Order: sequence, then C-alpha cells, then structure tokens
Amino acid sequence: AQKITQTQPGMFVQEKEAVTLDCTYDTSDQSYGLFWYKQPSSGEMIFLIYQGSYDEQNATEGRYSLNFQKARKSANLVISASQLGDSAMYFCAMREENYGGSQGNLIFGKGTKLSVKP
Amino acid sequence: DSGVTQTPKHLITATGQRVTLRCSPRSGDLSVYWYQQSLDQGLQFLIQYYNGEERAKGNILERFSAQQFPDLHSELNLSSLELGDSALYFCASSGNTGLANEKLFFGSGTQLSVL
Repeated sequence: AQKITQTQPGMFVQEKEAVTLDCTYDTSDQSYGLFWYKQPSSGEMIFLIYQGSYDEQNATEGRYSLNFQKARKSANLVISASQLGDSAMYFCAMREENYGGSQGNLIFGKGTKLSVKP
Repeated sequence: DSGVTQTPKHLITATGQRVTLRCSPRSGDLSVYWYQQSLDQGLQFLIQYYNGEERAKGNILERFSAQQFPDLHSELNLSSLELGDSALYFCASSGNTGLANEKLFFGSGTQLSVL
C-alpha cells in the first residue's frame, strides 16, 4: 500500500498568490514525522518544513506552512505569496519512529510539479 | 550547501559495466542513506548504513551493493548495469537519533546514464 500519496502531478499558480499542495499518508504508528522537500530543476533536495504527529500547532517556516489534519491523515503544504523561484518539484515524506533508531529512512510521495506564472 | 558531498556528478557508461558512486556525509552524521530517483518510480529508498553497519534495506537490487567505511564515507556499487538503471542516485545523511523529527540532508546526486 502506498504510504504517501500526492494526487496532483502538476499545479500552476500565479505569482504572488497562495497555493496548496496535497499530501495524504498512511501509517498505524502513533509517532511519526512528516516532511516536505523541494527539488528545483538543478536537482538538489532542499528541506522545507517538518510536522510531528504530536505537534498541536501547524508548522510554519517563512512562507511555508503545513496544514496538518491528523484525523484525515493529511499534511498539505501551503506556500504563500508564490515567487517565480518556487517553481520546482515538491515531495512529501514520512518517517515512522522506532525506538532505538532502528530505521530512519524517509518514505517519499511521487511529487507535485509546481509552476509559478508571472 | 547541505554538507553532503557526492561524486561524480555525472556518469555515463555502457550496459554490463560496473560503477561506484561515492558519498561523504555531513560532519558528525553517522547515518548514510542511498536513494534512487527515476521518472517512473519516483524516489526509492535503497539502503541505510549507520556507523559502518547496514541498518535498513529497501528496494535494492542484488546487483547493487553498498558499504560505509570507518571514516563514514559510503560507496554504492552498481554492477551488470542495465538501461533501466539510468537514474539520479542520491546520498543523504543524518545524525540518526532515532527520533521522527530528524531530517535528512541530501547531496546533489549522481546522474547515471547507461547507454
């Protein structure tokens, strides 16, 4: 079963507008973490924002915020005031926590390609 | 700059050949992860090493192997290469605290083209 689902292969947004990128996840763990990474055309993976399963407040990092709805198992990324430089692939990822640190890899969704129009 | 160094940036080789991809983690990070990114499969976790020991295995083919050395750098060996192995290979590192909030720092990747 797919653990991370990003249903929007591509999105367009007008410069200076806000955009929401969807992410739903599947886990039976109580403790887990959700991440968003950005991959511009140059290829590197850039960490954007993190949300813990026990965090009561939605995470925010500058123009990025995470709309976390635990009961719905969704962790949507909101980018406010879009800029041309925001054009990139965006990946949602999850880590399920294991005591003892036995497994630390992130499971990624297939990504959403965001294009910002001037 | 993430602090994770991958070499080479680009690699072009022929089917049936063997290549080695190299990764130096961020200073102080004990865990190294290898991912494969292809257009059809997305980002697939291959394998994780922690302080020289294999910690977790993902969708890694038997033709692929990896190791982490005492100085913590890691190498991913790909052998009997096929056209379908063409992909972007990422190395990432973390301190491996075991906590869910630990983020991975990615290198810039090695673009492998098998012709």
